[in-house]
Amino acid sequence: DSGVTQTPKHLITATGQRVTLRCSPRSGDLSVYWYQQSLDQGLQFLIQYYNGEERAKGNILERFSAQQFPDLHSELNLSSLELGDSALYFCASSARLGMNTEAFFGQGTRLTVV
Amino acid sequence: DAKTTQPTSMDCAEGRAANLPCNHSTISGNEYVYWYRQIHSQGPQYIIHGLKNNETNEMASLIITEDRKSSTLILPHATLRDTAVYYCIVRVADSGNTPLVFGKGTRLSVIA
Repeated sequence: DSGVTQTPKHLITATGQRVTLRCSPRSGDLSVYWYQQSLDQGLQFLIQYYNGEERAKGNILERFSAQQFPDLHSELNLSSLELGDSALYFCASSARLGMNTEAFFGQGTRLTVV
Repeated sequence: DAKTTQPTSMDCAEGRAANLPCNHSTISGNEYVYWYRQIHSQGPQYIIHGLKNNETNEMASLIITEDRKSSTLILPHATLRDTAVYYCIVRVADSGNTPLVFGKGTRLSVIA
């Protein structure tokens, strides 16, 4: 158990809909990262938050957004969903900025868009 | 783009050592080498990381060449549960928690 919790584990929704994925980082971790992994594709970095502020942005679509709340949990919002958004979405967390620490991943949310 | 090159796939007999190579010829002095693995569709699992010295933990050993242009992850006694995709990643050290950029990794199959 990595200590990173993601909910829900599975989500099935229709095209055009909006969903929210939730991530609770390990206790004490200030940094949260979101990744997307499509079928047979690699892990693509989407976005990183540190202590409530956006810190780095990757290949995140404009239809997607994220935020980190004061209790440090994070949410990834996906809107106007398309079939191609079907993927595994992983959240990871790591410790304080300035320390070269490893990141720990949750078990992911499997999103299916039908 | 990923800054590492790894073989696409490897096989290893159960009980033998698995040696996974990684080339990172453009690595900078302030970049660490990290290894993660992903078993089936589970979340990636941290294995080990190092800067220039060899490192060992309960999971594996990391051997980094003196010029730091390549490294080898060693699983000393591979089991069937070690079958996974293994990712070698270089990551800047000085800015702390920069995102991990994953390449395609090496698919290791441990065979009974």
